[in-house]
Amino acid sequence: QSALTQPASVSESPGQSITISCTGTSSDVGGYNYVSWYQHHPGKAPKLMIYDVSNRPSGVSNRFSGSKSGNTASLTISGLQAEDEADYYCSSYTSSTTLVFGGGTKLTVL
Amino acid sequence: EVQLVESGGGLVQPGGSLRLSCAASGFTFSSYAMSWVRQAPGKGLEWVSAISGGGTSTHYGDSVKGRFTISRDNSKNTLYLQMNSLRAEDTAVYYCAKGRISVGGTGTRLGFDYWGQGILVTVSS
Repeated sequence: QSALTQPASVSESPGQSITISCTGTSSDVGGYNYVSWYQHHPGKAPKLMIYDVSNRPSGVSNRFSGSKSGNTASLTISGLQAEDEADYYCSSYTSSTTLVFGGGTKLTVL
Repeated sequence: EVQLVESGGGLVQPGGSLRLSCAASGFTFSSYAMSWVRQAPGKGLEWVSAISGGGTSTHYGDSVKGRFTISRDNSKNTLYLQMNSLRAEDTAVYYCAKGRISVGGTGTRLGFDYWGQGILVTVSS
């Protein structure tokens, strides 16, 4: 199972919005509404930000939103804050009943 | 408060074995699927394996299938990962992760709402 494709890095200024893409195939992202997004600050435990494409767990800011079109899922962060600077990973359920992660995107808040 | 604490990591020679443990607390352990996820140095997250709440169903990533075995002891609230025939490319921080909701199966659909802090495994001669 190949990793989902994410941009290696993105950057934007505080207060602006950013969208991170996550591209897979019809056997994973496109075939199921089971895409999750994680925020990972190095040295810490990853944090679930979005599940089932567009749902936010309790306690996650509504500045984070998720969507999907075809084989590509997206995470949008609005009103960027310094604390949002982290690595972001998407994951998807697959037709093999396994899980695949994206390669990760490093977000820099300028 | 949910806590997941990994142990058992360290330095091992290529071809060797190691068993990781993940002690869980703060939730009804037997009701939730659990997974192991790893991160090699400078690389992204990689899902390794998952197990159902009762321990009867397991799944593995292609890179570890046939070498790693996931198991759990619900009486001890502990998750395990037995790693055999270790290779240099298995060097990584290994995280245990809890399935988001209590449903059947190995939970690979659900997302993981709690993660441990991770434990380093280094495979080197």
